[in-house]
Amino acid sequence: AQSVSQHNHHVILSEAASLELGCNYSYGGTVNLFWYVQYPGQHLQLLLKYFSGDPLVKGIKGFEAEFIKSKFSFNLRKPSVQWSDTAEYFCAVNTPNTDKLIFGTGTRLQVFP
Amino acid sequence: SAVISQKPSRDICQRGTSLTIQCQVDSQVTMMFWYRQQPGQSLTLIATANQGSEATYESGFVIDKFPISRPNLTFSTLTVSNMSPEDSSIYLCSVRGLAGNEQYFGPGTRLTVT
Repeated sequence: AQSVSQHNHHVILSEAASLELGCNYSYGGTVNLFWYVQYPGQHLQLLLKYFSGDPLVKGIKGFEAEFIKSKFSFNLRKPSVQWSDTAEYFCAVNTPNTDKLIFGTGTRLQVFP
Repeated sequence: SAVISQKPSRDICQRGTSLTIQCQVDSQVTMMFWYRQQPGQSLTLIATANQGSEATYESGFVIDKFPISRPNLTFSTLTVSNMSPEDSSIYLCSVRGLAGNEQYFGPGTRLTVT
């Protein structure tokens, strides 16, 4: 069965620090990959997605993620975080012929000014 | 992306009762999905709801416990029946985006069962 692992459960950073959140999935075939973000008091929003093509995808608010097929990874990065990036981040995966999203357990990011 | 609303936003219910959660989308969509997020855990798909057909339930979820209606292309309901404290969760509906397999989520319904 497919699964998604997010190894960082809670990350604390100062503003301007660089961010990398890990995401690994277990599935040998073609996958679609997603990062969602949930800001405090708000609903889940799509941050970025990968279906095919360039493995480096850029999303909103300066976030990017790199798909490394050989490592089954889709890590999220941002070169310089802001206080407003404080949120919970979820990695998710599905396969092209299904809609069921498999989510990781989420990473809580706290950014201090 | 579609604009999705849910009612109620939160509720506190007694065990043994049922709660119906509504999901409204501002555009017509073929498929709607219901997820559950238990405290401290990730989102888990409960079922997929297509208009005009029975909902498809994931392993571990049954129609008697989570009956779903899909009367038209913009609306769906999820009922949590005969509730117990273990049903305390956030329940979210989502729809598929136009571009592909991404999904857009509603604000969720926070349910507490006492």
